[in-house]
Amino acid sequence: SAVISQKPSRDICQRGTSLTIQCQVDSQVTMMFWYRQQPGQSLTLIATANQGSEATYESGFVIDKFPISRPNLTFSTLTVSNMSPEDSSIYLCSAMTTTSSYEQYFGPGTRLTVT
Amino acid sequence: GQNIDQPTEMTATEGAIVQINCTYQTSGFNGLFWYQQHAGEAPTFLSYNVLDGLEEKGRFSSFLSRSKGYSYLLLKELQMKDSASYLCAVRDRGTDKLIFGTGTRLQVFP
Repeated sequence: SAVISQKPSRDICQRGTSLTIQCQVDSQVTMMFWYRQQPGQSLTLIATANQGSEATYESGFVIDKFPISRPNLTFSTLTVSNMSPEDSSIYLCSAMTTTSSYEQYFGPGTRLTVT
Repeated sequence: GQNIDQPTEMTATEGAIVQINCTYQTSGFNGLFWYQQHAGEAPTFLSYNVLDGLEEKGRFSSFLSRSKGYSYLLLKELQMKDSASYLCAVRDRGTDKLIFGTGTRLQVFP
């Protein structure tokens, strides 16, 4: 299995600012993803983080708002830009390794509150 | 596109058996996953089905019927610690994206 860590674990930010969330996996993985989870809701996929190229965004999410980097096979960042209170949510990094029956693992999440 | 349906909430008694159903419609299917998520924690992997049939893992079993677009998660000998949300997710064949259902919140009572 893969162990995923995220930084920061939580933050309180002011409207209009940006926050970058870091995700580190302890082994090389084929796919990395970013999800958002609103309180009491299920997970919504934001984008697939592609190594060395632009991320693939889901409907409703755009690069200007959620720029993503993935410089190598074990690390990715998600930036939440020009934040508003509607961006308050838990942001989860996820990774999949094809060496383990395509199991997909999740980081502990980053709890973001925008005031 | 994908559409995944689960019951919103279920309740059960300690020691009992509960079955959580999941139905899905997808343009390309490459496996179905079940995750457990306790409040305030990340989802943890429970099971993965890609072929029809039943997969058993201790107190938890998962079943898949691809022709019916149907899966269930069976929890036996329920314990209080099984109170959590259970998320059904389908992997898209073309993109390997994992798309989640709405989740089922299970409450186990003594």
